[in-house]
Amino acid sequence: AQSVTQLGSHVSVSEGALVLLRCNYSSSVPPYLFWYVQYPNQGLQLLLKYTSAATLVKGINGFEAEFKKSETSFHLTKPSAHMSDAAEYFCAVSDQGSARQLTFGSGTQLTVLP
Amino acid sequence: DTAVSQTPKYLVTQMGNDKSIKCEQNLGHDTMYWYKQDSKKFLKIMFSYNNKELIINETVPNRFSPKSPDKAHLNLHINSLELGDSAVYFCATAQGNTEAFFGQGTRLTVV
Repeated sequence: AQSVTQLGSHVSVSEGALVLLRCNYSSSVPPYLFWYVQYPNQGLQLLLKYTSAATLVKGINGFEAEFKKSETSFHLTKPSAHMSDAAEYFCAVSDQGSARQLTFGSGTQLTVLP
Repeated sequence: DTAVSQTPKYLVTQMGNDKSIKCEQNLGHDTMYWYKQDSKKFLKIMFSYNNKELIINETVPNRFSPKSPDKAHLNLHINSLELGDSAVYFCATAQGNTEAFFGQGTRLTVV
């Protein structure tokens, strides 16, 4: 069984400040890990993914995440927050089987303050 | 062209009714999914459908039934709708090692 824990359901940062959204996973097999972003009344858009290649993954809009097996973590960071980053962020894990069903964390609402 | 499209975007209906949500993809992916997002924004897999193999999340009531007329479509039929079915339903697709691509969602409100 797989699970994802996102610490902090709400995170607020000032514009220009570092963004850090935390994600820890549990998986009995080597996982694939994803970060998705959801803007209001929109679907989910992929930010980045880890699929057992490089442990530091760069995504769209300046986001990146680092896979740390020893810590079972996949935290999302961005050096400088922009107002347009305000959204809901979801960390997800899938196995490497044919179904590749995603198990999502509970989400983190990011607010960017002017 | 939208890669994964769902219709309708909004659906308001009365308890006890039967309704369907349609999903179409033009990505040529083999696997399609339905996810449910509840009022607290929690996302949970309902079904995955891969080359005619259906994998069902055991917590989904049997009032929900996916139907795939062809590889590009996966519709969701819901019988005897209940208030607790109100949610946003997302269709998604994937192929091989690619990430899942999501539709824009269907917001279902049962009154």
